[in-house]
Amino acid sequence: EPEVTQTPSHQVTQMGQEVILRCVPISNHLYFYWYRQILGQKVEFLVSFYNNEISEKSEIFDDQFSVERPDGSNFTLKIRSTKLEDSAMYFCASTGIQETQYFGPGTRLLVL
Amino acid sequence: GDSVTQMEGPVTLSEEAFLTINCTYTATGYPSLFWYVQYPGEGLQLLLKATKADDKGSNKGFEATYRKETTSFHLEKGSVQVSDSAVYFCALSDMMGNQFYFGTGTSLTVIP
Repeated sequence: EPEVTQTPSHQVTQMGQEVILRCVPISNHLYFYWYRQILGQKVEFLVSFYNNEISEKSEIFDDQFSVERPDGSNFTLKIRSTKLEDSAMYFCASTGIQETQYFGPGTRLLVL
Repeated sequence: GDSVTQMEGPVTLSEEAFLTINCTYTATGYPSLFWYVQYPGEGLQLLLKATKADDKGSNKGFEATYRKETTSFHLEKGSVQVSDSAVYFCALSDMMGNQFYFGTGTSLTVIP
């Protein structure tokens, strides 16, 4: 069964560093999403992406964040200058014509 | 705006007990409703969904019925197993399908 994959599974970085989280959505899907889950808290929507542009973003998704689909398969989330409060699990999701979102296993980001 | 309110946990049950996790929602229009499950150390997995009023989603012995009159989508299982121990998230998808709104999650522990 097709699945969404994410790399790396874990990343540790220093405050102020840039990180890029990578996702490979399911191949025929058209809509892509990033969510985050701070430890012990709810899953929060960050951004949705369709047709090579952001279709919706939350107030969490400020100028420090950006997304890109650099080629036909990858979908990346970049955090330009990480802060301690960016430590969280980041989930990528994708969906096709059906609206069910399929989630990747997540990247656990720890900012020191 | 759209939102999901979910029964707070944690919930601890004995094996073979009956499970109910309450979920109510607030939304404009006709959202789709979902239950996702997160096993320890893993990402979110779709458990079941319902796309219109009175639909019943079911999977692995779990059921939930989309009740528009009570704006609810309670998760039930007649006989839980130790392997059902996980965090369960209720979610809704807005009419455009651009964004998911998650509940806070309910942690379930099933003891032998």
